[in-house]
Amino acid sequence: EAQVTQNPRYLITVTGKKLTVTCSQNMNHEYMSWYRQDPGLGLRQIYYSMNVEVTDKGDVPEGYKVSRKEKRNFPLILESPSPNQTSLYFCASSLTWAEKLFFGSGTQLSVL
Amino acid sequence: KQEVTQIPAALSVPEGENLVLNCSFTDSAIYNLQWFRQDPGKGLTSLLLIQSSQREQTSGRLNASLDKSSGRSTLYIAASQPGDSATYLCAVLYRPADRGSTLGRLYFGRGTQLTVWP
Repeated sequence: EAQVTQNPRYLITVTGKKLTVTCSQNMNHEYMSWYRQDPGLGLRQIYYSMNVEVTDKGDVPEGYKVSRKEKRNFPLILESPSPNQTSLYFCASSLTWAEKLFFGSGTQLSVL
Repeated sequence: KQEVTQIPAALSVPEGENLVLNCSFTDSAIYNLQWFRQDPGKGLTSLLLIQSSQREQTSGRLNASLDKSSGRSTLYIAASQPGDSATYLCAVLYRPADRGSTLGRLYFGRGTQLTVWP
């Protein structure tokens, strides 16, 4: 089944403890991206990757890192999480940057 | 900063009604526009994608139109059903101001929460 898989689904952590949210797609998509969704603010793009060679910042990249070492995986790394990073995170992919987006089921992160 | 606005924020209708959801954007230099559906606790599902050169796209009971000159898109849902209850979001992909800048960035509206009651 074609899908975007995020893990974990829920995560509770404490301030400053490094964490990684994984994202994997099995559709051979070139484009992958990360978003956060907050009440009243909607979805905002954190980082995107055009392909394994090109990764760039979105609207809200501060406090996040990403890695695209292989086409199928695009992990989101929070080196030192803070409470303002408590949010619902989504990974998405598409064949190219301008095509239909496929989303993962989301990761609800709480930073205490 | 690009702005995408969706009106209304919430809509509650009886089953069977035809409805229109609105999306407006501030800059007409768009590449494409997508409409998504989001169910509670789940990810987004792409419903329709309209290229900037297109006027509309249809899928079943859904029809999306695009008017770049006025900065508007509408999602028309015919004969609404309780199963259509969800939040509907539009997202605009903008053309870069110059090659290599802001390529691939999407801007989302905050969504319209739709409830269709039996």
